[in-house]
Amino acid sequence: QSVLTQPPSASGAPGQGVTISCSGSSSNIADNVVNWYQQLPGTAPKLLIYNDNKRPSGVPDRISGSRSGTSASLAISGLQSEDEADYYCATWDDSLDGWVFGGGTKLTVL
Amino acid sequence: QITLKESGPTLLKPTQTLTLTCTFSGFSLTSSGVAGGWIRQPPGKALEWLALIYWDDDERYSPSLRSRLTITKDTSKNQVVLTMTKMDPVDTGTYYCVRGRRSGYNVYFDYWGQGALVTVSS
Repeated sequence: QSVLTQPPSASGAPGQGVTISCSGSSSNIADNVVNWYQQLPGTAPKLLIYNDNKRPSGVPDRISGSRSGTSASLAISGLQSEDEADYYCATWDDSLDGWVFGGGTKLTVL
Repeated sequence: QITLKESGPTLLKPTQTLTLTCTFSGFSLTSSGVAGGWIRQPPGKALEWLALIYWDDDERYSPSLRSRLTITKDTSKNQVVLTMTKMDPVDTGTYYCVRGRRSGYNVYFDYWGQGALVTVSS
């Protein structure tokens, strides 16, 4: 059971947009920034968003992140087939004194 | 170009000790704000953070696994080593070496190794 809760799956048609949620608590998301990672099938995860909404070099601006209260969201617009992957949110948990990940969301591009 | 590569045993018996070495290039673990760490992923399951060691030798461990983990660094060899004792079949999974970057109070993992699959079975 992950400390951060994500929907197990999400989907959208090519060109459409999708939002993936990450729900936490007062000991993690409420007080700490969130990072997002993308894991393409059979590969290592890749940093997608850090500090809630910052994109590393090379990540397109159709990908964005936000945080409010005890939840965070990852939004992907203009879906492409290469966006099919597992997406994980992560943050620091003050009570557990460690980094925690969400359970992951599998994104399918229909 | 930054690269990280994990090396170590692929098969262990229960109760044995796992030692994984991460050899990296393209950055230094003496640079302020930089850390080296480990994250694992059981087959078909989510990521789990294990341990992190900072440029200033500060060490952080997963609270649930703290008693079994030790992380060290050798800056002259550009290596980070993870030791996990009392391995159990539930520890089977892919172990990733990561570079951590501190940004304010945040640390994000911006580079990952390809992963090393470790199987624990009698």
